[in-house]
Amino acid sequence: SQQGEEDPQALSIQEGENATMNCSYKTSINNLQWYRQNSGRGLVHLILIRSNEREKHSGRLRVTLDTSKKSSSLLITASRAADTASYFCATALRGGSNYKLTFGKGTLLTVNP
Amino acid sequence: EAGVAQSPRYKIIEKRQSVAFWCNPISGHATLYWYQQILGQGPKLLIQFQNNGVVDDSQLPKDRFSAERLKGVDSTLKIQPAKLEDSAVYLCASSSDRIQFFGSGTQLSVL
Repeated sequence: SQQGEEDPQALSIQEGENATMNCSYKTSINNLQWYRQNSGRGLVHLILIRSNEREKHSGRLRVTLDTSKKSSSLLITASRAADTASYFCATALRGGSNYKLTFGKGTLLTVNP
Repeated sequence: EAGVAQSPRYKIIEKRQSVAFWCNPISGHATLYWYQQILGQGPKLLIQFQNNGVVDDSQLPKDRFSAERLKGVDSTLKIQPAKLEDSAVYLCASSSDRIQFFGSGTQLSVL
């Protein structure tokens, strides 16, 4: 079953605007990760936030995590046409020395030039 | 650093036929994953290897799917016989820690 659920399912904005995507999950996690997938390609890791962190930044990306509400958000500032892709949140659980990721259904972001 | 390599890129078969996918992970990555991604969905884990041992295959339909990782490096995923609902992209990923690196996937169409 898919633990993370992204919202909205699709988002269309103009270049230069900010894009916010939300993710909700159901069980305890070790960390939460966001991945991007361009059409017809594999997933690319964007950012990881640990369960004891509340906010993290990486370039134009800002991720927040609220473990009490079991939710996370990804903010992309000053969006570009090249940001057009599907974005997935993935909750991570650690079992021994391994991590298992459970992905949501994703948000399809379209940035119009 | 070379990425995760997968082949073939595309495969079209008829139902009840068999098919195999190949994956070469990033050098040194002990953990290898196979995911199934149906159109419009996120990836679903099929099987996870640690070196050449299976860590998790709870979501692998074992009556038709099989996977192996010889010598803890390359891996193959096989479907026999294929069903229409197996049409999807099959993604391979590898990791050495928390972050997973994905290949471009094999797009399977079962007619």
